[in-house]
Amino acid sequence: GAVVSQHPSRVICKSGTSVKIECRSLDFQATTMFWYRQFPKQSLMLMATSNEGSKATYEQGVEKDKFLINHASLTLSTLTVTSAHPEDSSFYICSATQGRETQYFGPGTRLLVL
Amino acid sequence: KNEVEQSPQNLTAQEGEFITINCSYSVGISALHWLQQHPGGGIVSLFMLSSGKKKHGRLIATINIQEKHSSLHITASHPRDSAVYICAGLDRGSTLGRLYFGRGTQLTVWP
Repeated sequence: GAVVSQHPSRVICKSGTSVKIECRSLDFQATTMFWYRQFPKQSLMLMATSNEGSKATYEQGVEKDKFLINHASLTLSTLTVTSAHPEDSSFYICSATQGRETQYFGPGTRLLVL
Repeated sequence: KNEVEQSPQNLTAQEGEFITINCSYSVGISALHWLQQHPGGGIVSLFMLSSGKKKHGRLIATINIQEKHSSLHITASHPRDSAVYICAGLDRGSTLGRLYFGRGTQLTVWP
């Protein structure tokens, strides 16, 4: 099956710093990428939908200035957590689609803000 | 409103047992994904179903469109099947493939 990578897999940062997470589709072109957040013992929560060459669509309650998303190419989307705080600590997962019904998930990035 | 309800939340089984996880969904969902999430966090897509039944190895997924219900079965369960299983519904009105997720079922299979 298709492969989606995320980098870094794990990051620890100080409060107030910004962290960039990359999501890449390695062997296919992804017109759409989704960014999710997952708290312990809970399911995935959609943060935003990212389309190549256009602005991301954010879910209600997600601050677009805090979670900057850039979908620069058909194989790369980045999520930047700006001025991170401890409450931003979470597991962030991206997925990429080839079509409406096919979605491939990245391995996730565990963020810890001290 | 698009909703996906999954049960049970936790499931413990002895190796070799037959396992069933259930998922019900609302009218706004057009297809169901079954996903597997291992302790490290990575998610693997097991099946995508819009009708009927699919089988892959010891895994079987069924969907009943009229009843808006889907099940994931694992035959001859094994400790390596221990993971969180998540059903996710495809939004009927989304051209991009937006999913709505169930809360997940934590499966533990003991040797």
